[in-house]
Amino acid sequence: GAGVSQSPSNKVTEKGKDVELRCDPISGHTALYWYRQRLGQGLEFLIYFQGNSAPDKSGLPSDRFSAERTGESVSTLTIQRTQQEDSAVYLCASSLVHGANVLTFGAGSRLTVL
Amino acid sequence: RKEVEQDPGPFNVPEGATVAFNCTYSNSASQSFFWYRQDCRKEPKLLMSVYSSGNEDGRFTAQLNRASQYISLLIRDSKLSDSATYLCVVIFYNTDKLIFGTGTRLQVFP
Repeated sequence: GAGVSQSPSNKVTEKGKDVELRCDPISGHTALYWYRQRLGQGLEFLIYFQGNSAPDKSGLPSDRFSAERTGESVSTLTIQRTQQEDSAVYLCASSLVHGANVLTFGAGSRLTVL
Repeated sequence: RKEVEQDPGPFNVPEGATVAFNCTYSNSASQSFFWYRQDCRKEPKLLMSVYSSGNEDGRFTAQLNRASQYISLLIRDSKLSDSATYLCVVIFYNTDKLIFGTGTRLQVFP
C-alpha cells in the first residue's frame, strides 16, 4: 500500500481481555517495527522483524506480549490478559531494510484498558 | 543511563528565533542518526537524516559529534508551525536496535 496501515485505530477493552493489533507495512519493506508510546512519554521499542524473523524480542515488556509476522508483510501484536498499564498508543513502522533506511510510521492503535 | 537522552524542554521561543537541541547517546557503536518530528497525537515523521559532515535542509541544520557522542538540530527563523516534539533516533551496531530519544518539545509563540 501507499503507507503503513494499522488497525484498529482505537480499542477500548476490559482488564484481563486479550487484544490483537494489526500492522500492514509498505509493500516491499522488509523491516517492521513495533513501538509503544504512553501519554506524554517517548517511544518505547518493543520488537522488530527482518523478514518474518524477530532477531531480538527483549524489548517486549512481559510474556503477555507476543508478535508475529507472516509473508514478510502483515504483523500482529498480541497482548494477553491486558492490564491498565498496557494503555498506550502502539505504533508500527516499516523500512526498506533494517538500519539503513528511514522509518515510515502508521497512525497507531490507541489502546485503553479499563 | 539511557541509551539516547534528550532535554524534554519545553523550549518556548518567539517567532524568528534560532533554537538548538542536543541529543546524547551512550554507546559509541552507533551506526545511523536521524531527527524525527512528532506533532501532538500524531505519528512521528522523518525530519532529516544526520550525516557525519553535517547537513542542512532549508532552515534546519543537523550536526554529528562522534567524539562527544551527541547530535544536534538547529532551527533558524522559527515559525509557529515548527511547534512540535523533536525526536532523535540512533541505530546501534552492536545491539542492532533502533532507539528513540524521549523527545524535546518546542513551542514557538507569536
